[in-house]
Amino acid sequence: NAGVMQNPRHLVRRRGQEARLRCSPMKGHSHVYWYRQLPEEGLKFMVYLQKENIIDESGMPKERFSAEFPKEGPSILRIQQVVRGDSAAYFCASSPGQGSTEAFFGQGTRLTVV
Amino acid sequence: GENVEQHPSTLSVQEGDSAVIKCTYSDSASNYFPWYKQELGKRPQLIIDIRSNVGEKKDQRIAVTLNKTAKHFSLHITETQPEDSAVYFCAAPPKGYSTLTFGKGTMLLVSP
Repeated sequence: NAGVMQNPRHLVRRRGQEARLRCSPMKGHSHVYWYRQLPEEGLKFMVYLQKENIIDESGMPKERFSAEFPKEGPSILRIQQVVRGDSAAYFCASSPGQGSTEAFFGQGTRLTVV
Repeated sequence: GENVEQHPSTLSVQEGDSAVIKCTYSDSASNYFPWYKQELGKRPQLIIDIRSNVGEKKDQRIAVTLNKTAKHFSLHITETQPEDSAVYFCAAPPKGYSTLTFGKGTMLLVSP
């Protein structure tokens, strides 16, 4: 079991470009969560997804950010028209669901907007 | 939604001392309380968790206690070592959700 896999590990984008972050959950896990961590700050919940469903996106900025978890393939967090303030570490976590809240994190994607 | 408060924000101890980090939560329906350790530049890793049907859980040098009446839970690390230095996060799920709301974190520094 390779654990939660995120790619890329590091991503540099110019202002105005799009950033696409990918997350493959642990084998057998059907729930995916995205968190953002600003430098020297805590983990801020963004969105919670199950296959083909967004369960809770209360932490997502209203504009430019979107997430999906298709039936096949990884979960994708997309940030359009990136700005400097989007620079952060984005962590994905997965859990088995079915009443289990135990969550395991990926290594994160460190996004730098220049 | 759930509100999780964690303190202290920074904790410095000498090697061999004990360290205690405390968290309070707001949603009385919360029933699962994990603790994560995040070393610099690395992912948060689950180190211990407790469910609401027990008051204490131990795993070698770390333990977690839960007081449901007061809605707080604590992480205890005994015989601290320099490799315990990291940021520790507590978390709790809001009622009806499988997401986790995290505390702001405690930076633990263990001096040799």
